[in-house]
Amino acid sequence: DTEVTQTPKHLVMGMTNKKSLKCEQHMGHRAMYWYKQKAKKPPELMFVYSYEKLSINESVPSRFSPECPNSSLLNLHLHALQPEDSALYLCASSLNLAGAYNEQFFGPGTRLTVL
Amino acid sequence: GESVGLHLPTLSVQEGDNSIINCAYSNSASDYFIWYKQESGKGPQFIIDIRSNMDKRQGQRVTVLLNKTVKHLSLQIAATQPGDSAVYFCAESSGNTPLVFGKGTRLSVIA
Repeated sequence: DTEVTQTPKHLVMGMTNKKSLKCEQHMGHRAMYWYKQKAKKPPELMFVYSYEKLSINESVPSRFSPECPNSSLLNLHLHALQPEDSALYLCASSLNLAGAYNEQFFGPGTRLTVL
Repeated sequence: GESVGLHLPTLSVQEGDNSIINCAYSNSASDYFIWYKQESGKGPQFIIDIRSNMDKRQGQRVTVLLNKTVKHLSLQIAATQPGDSAVYFCAESSGNTPLVFGKGTRLSVIA
């Protein structure tokens, strides 16, 4: 299995809702990532987990809360989002954080719309 | 032709021609580079990578060139096909740092 899966594919939520995005990989990768991508822009790094521990938080607002329950799963909990948070949320994984040829594999993304 | 401005830079090529997509990077300590292809509604897909101790690497129909002197990376696609139409991103990293993505170029193939 050489893919990263994400659910749901699309999500529409109100500003008072609580929802979660899910990501899964079974490649034995120990680093997992959340990115946010706005239209016509490159992916922007949000969080990095390495060996199930939060390694990097790129000054993301607390209304986004990541969770790594085990080495295969990565969640992103959403609460009290703003319309400007509407974007494509991408999950990625890599064998580990360090070293060359540390290719990141991306999932298809969750298209989030905040009303 | 190629256009740069407020919109995503776009490269238009005829089917069958070769495409060259360019990327300038800023971190002279970057030692690993990847090209990704992103089709509409999908996540980025790995195309080819290169380490800083190389200046050229070839894959199937694709070649990546690295010029560390001027911090420039290019992706060459031979015999461009309609299925190559997508946005292409270069990405760089150094040591333990996660990938940093470039702005992206939209490739449009004219049949």
